[in-house]
Amino acid sequence: AQKVTQAQTEISVVEKEDVTLDCVYETRDTTYYLFWYKQPPSGELVFLIRRNSFDEQNEISGRYSWNFQKSTSSFNFTITASQVVDSAVYFCALIRADSSYKLIFGSGTRLLVRP
Amino acid sequence: GAVVSQHPSWVICKSGTSVKIECRSLDFQATTMFWYRQFPKQSLMLMATSNEGSKATYEQGVEKDKFLINHASLTLSTLTVTSAHPEDSSFYICSASTGRDSSNQPQHFGDGTRLSIL
Repeated sequence: AQKVTQAQTEISVVEKEDVTLDCVYETRDTTYYLFWYKQPPSGELVFLIRRNSFDEQNEISGRYSWNFQKSTSSFNFTITASQVVDSAVYFCALIRADSSYKLIFGSGTRLLVRP
Repeated sequence: GAVVSQHPSWVICKSGTSVKIECRSLDFQATTMFWYRQFPKQSLMLMATSNEGSKATYEQGVEKDKFLINHASLTLSTLTVTSAHPEDSSFYICSASTGRDSSNQPQHFGDGTRLSIL
């Protein structure tokens, strides 16, 4: 069975603080993809990153960085110097590398960045 | 590219009404479309997967007679909530896939439809 766990339901930080959102996944597949999406209050899903199971290289994109560790089945997301506009719900998701392209979402972490 | 348009964005209607939500891929052909439902402060739950020209595959616990899905063309899928009741009030999101792993995003999401049944 496939499963994505985001243990942090809500996180509140003060602007400019760094914050890490945790994501732990379960899968028996050897080939899979992991994603992070942002859902602002308006509701739309904003794609942030995709990582395939064979690429454990960490990635940095501006204030965002991702740490993928297969040994612990984790794909954590860090926002450096958080801003109020980062306030949103963040979802981690897993997809099998087959033709179904069925996304399995975590329960989401609500991030509140206070000024 | 890869824009998915969902319409309407907000619906308020009386109990017993049937509501149709459209999901269109504007600049690509979507062989597969997905319909999700999201309750407040909860995650997205996949309702069904539809492939163009064939019947939708519903997830366990989703009533196929309640949530009618039609994927008649490569650019349009519709979700009809039949005889809607207040418990059907939710945020419905569609996504579309080309069926090929040609981009970083296997699914392109619409902006969602907020359905409120009075």
